[in-house]
Amino acid sequence: AQSVSQHNHHVILSEAASLELGCNYSYGGTVNLFWYVQYPGQHLQLLLKYFSGDPLVKGIKGFEAEFIKSKFSFNLRKPSVQWSDTAEYFCAVNARGTSYGKLTFGQGTILTVHP
Amino acid sequence: DTGVSQNPRHKITKRGQNVTFRCDPISEHNRLYWYRQTLGQGPEFLTYFQNEAQLEKSRLLSDRFSAERPKGSFSTLEIQRTEQGDSAMYLCASSLVALQGSNEKLFFGSGTQLSVL
Repeated sequence: AQSVSQHNHHVILSEAASLELGCNYSYGGTVNLFWYVQYPGQHLQLLLKYFSGDPLVKGIKGFEAEFIKSKFSFNLRKPSVQWSDTAEYFCAVNARGTSYGKLTFGQGTILTVHP
Repeated sequence: DTGVSQNPRHKITKRGQNVTFRCDPISEHNRLYWYRQTLGQGPEFLTYFQNEAQLEKSRLLSDRFSAERPKGSFSTLEIQRTEQGDSAMYLCASSLVALQGSNEKLFFGSGTQLSVL
């Protein structure tokens, strides 16, 4: 079975600061990787995903993530955060060959951005 | 609103009672998923349907839990003899899988928050 660990429970930044949220997974096989975001009062939505190819993937709103296979990591980055990025961020994995919607999520990281 | 709809938004019940939640997926979506999320944790997969067929159930889904999608459209999740440990947000998501191996994008609903007293 897969497991996902997110390094930080709560991150507090000022606007324009750079962001990196850590995510490590544990699984013996090939995985698809995802970052989901939940803005206050809204539902979960996909930020970006990695299936194969270039390990640096770009998502919406200027976010990107890098898959480092040797480290079992898929860290999320953004060079300059905005107040509107305040949200909870979830890393998720899916075992290749299973339904893409059968996800194993990390515990989430709450990001608070101060103006 | 053309998104995934879940009802009710909140449910408060007493221990031992039965509860039922409903999920209306995006029209034409053939897959429907149920997840459970407790405070401070990420969502946990419970079960999913392709059309009306329930294809997989997590070991988290005890015998007290049952899910149906009788006509391949809306789905219900019933919890019998609720326990305090069932208190959680129950999330539904839907997707459209058109071709074998095609990318699948999940659309989540806002969830039903269950509180068992």
